[in-house]
Amino acid sequence: DTEVTQTPKHLVMGMTNKKSLKCEQHMGHRAMYWYKQKAKKPPELMFVYSYEKLSINESVPSRFSPECPNSSLLNLHLHALQPEDSALYLCASSPWGSGRPQHFGDGTRLSIL
Amino acid sequence: AQKITQTQPGMFVQEKEAVTLDCTYDTSDQSYGLFWYKQPSSGEMIFLIYQGSYDEQNATEGRYSLNFQKARKSANLVISASQLGDSAMYFCAMREGLGAQKLVFGQGTRLTINP
Repeated sequence: DTEVTQTPKHLVMGMTNKKSLKCEQHMGHRAMYWYKQKAKKPPELMFVYSYEKLSINESVPSRFSPECPNSSLLNLHLHALQPEDSALYLCASSPWGSGRPQHFGDGTRLSIL
Repeated sequence: AQKITQTQPGMFVQEKEAVTLDCTYDTSDQSYGLFWYKQPSSGEMIFLIYQGSYDEQNATEGRYSLNFQKARKSANLVISASQLGDSAMYFCAMREGLGAQKLVFGQGTRLTINP
């Protein structure tokens, strides 16, 4: 079992739907991340939160909206997605500080119809 | 410019043999970190091993060791006594910056262990 929990594990949605991905960790990590991974490709960083504040946005389209309600939770709100947004979405967390590995969740497999 | 290069898209190894997965990197920073992750078909990214740029000893974690050659900018992963469960995608990654880490991943190597 991973220490970073992501829900749901699978999500199928239409292009007009609004849905949210959830990520939770209880390791006391103060940095949390969202990655997008297409099939047979490496993960690509989307957002980084440090101490609940957005510190990095990798020019992600506004149809993806991150939220960090507290130090344990990270959400990714989805609206008006495109078929090319179908991918594995990975959440990760790490202690704030260099040399510490990021711990990943199992991911949410998202399919846009 | 690609910062992490993994030149082996796929590797096939007999069970119980040792295997080396190649990784070269490019950075002008003096302080950086190198990570290896394993990704089974289930999707989870599993942290394997870490090497800091100032670490004088090569990192080891159980059957995993990292062959760090700083002058050549290489950080190869060595898996000793491979097992069927080692079959997975392996990613080399480099940390950029301090604090919240921006990880840059290589393209990955798909390792298949044959019985």
